[in-house]
Amino acid sequence: QVQMVQSGAEMKKPGASLNVSCKTSGFPFTGYHIHWIRQAPGQGLEWLGRISPNSGDTDYSQKFQGRITMTRDTSISTAYVELTRLGFDDTAVYYCTRDSPAGRFDHWGQGTLVAVSS
Amino acid sequence: QSVLTQPPSASGTPGQRVIISCSGSDSNIGINTANWYQQLPGTAPKLLIYRNNQRPSGVPDRFSGSKSGTSASLAISGLQSEDEADYYCAAWDDGLTGVVFGGGTKLTVI
Repeated sequence: QVQMVQSGAEMKKPGASLNVSCKTSGFPFTGYHIHWIRQAPGQGLEWLGRISPNSGDTDYSQKFQGRITMTRDTSISTAYVELTRLGFDDTAVYYCTRDSPAGRFDHWGQGTLVAVSS
Repeated sequence: QSVLTQPPSASGTPGQRVIISCSGSDSNIGINTANWYQQLPGTAPKLLIYRNNQRPSGVPDRFSGSKSGTSASLAISGLQSEDEADYYCAAWDDGLTGVVFGGGTKLTVI
């Protein structure tokens, strides 16, 4: 079955970077875009961007341009997101999700809590 | 400030029908399909409706979606206590070249 397993919770200091991984299984990794979405405590969902595992092409939310990088390793069916220069407002649960045709997110990782604290 | 606009809250009694609206613009819902997600506390969102009105397998037919112009709606009929959750609409935005979400609607079953 489809599985998307994310790396564990992280605590970061302001100015540091976060790196979250999303290991997938149960489907052809290069056949689906992987999107990253985050949710700050008590807040709604926010789209960070997406990567095509096949080509490596990315699209990022304008809000994060310049400090976000999405990569993938097709040999282990894993996607990564790096966000640099963290601020307190980057504290959130970060989710990876699979984009099935028609832009629907039908499978999600379990979420990774990243807390930014001094 | 979310690109898509949803009411922050909605409520109903068991058995009732509730409708949650999602207002967008020409660059998102106006030209692309809307999807809906249900999020129970402490869990990842779950796909509820895609392509405006399609239900993934396993989603009860009590949930239905529609779209008209630049707005979309989610209807829940025969409301049940387990429907108490946050609901989000989403769509691709051609102007922003990305996915936009509504701010979410917290549904309470009274």
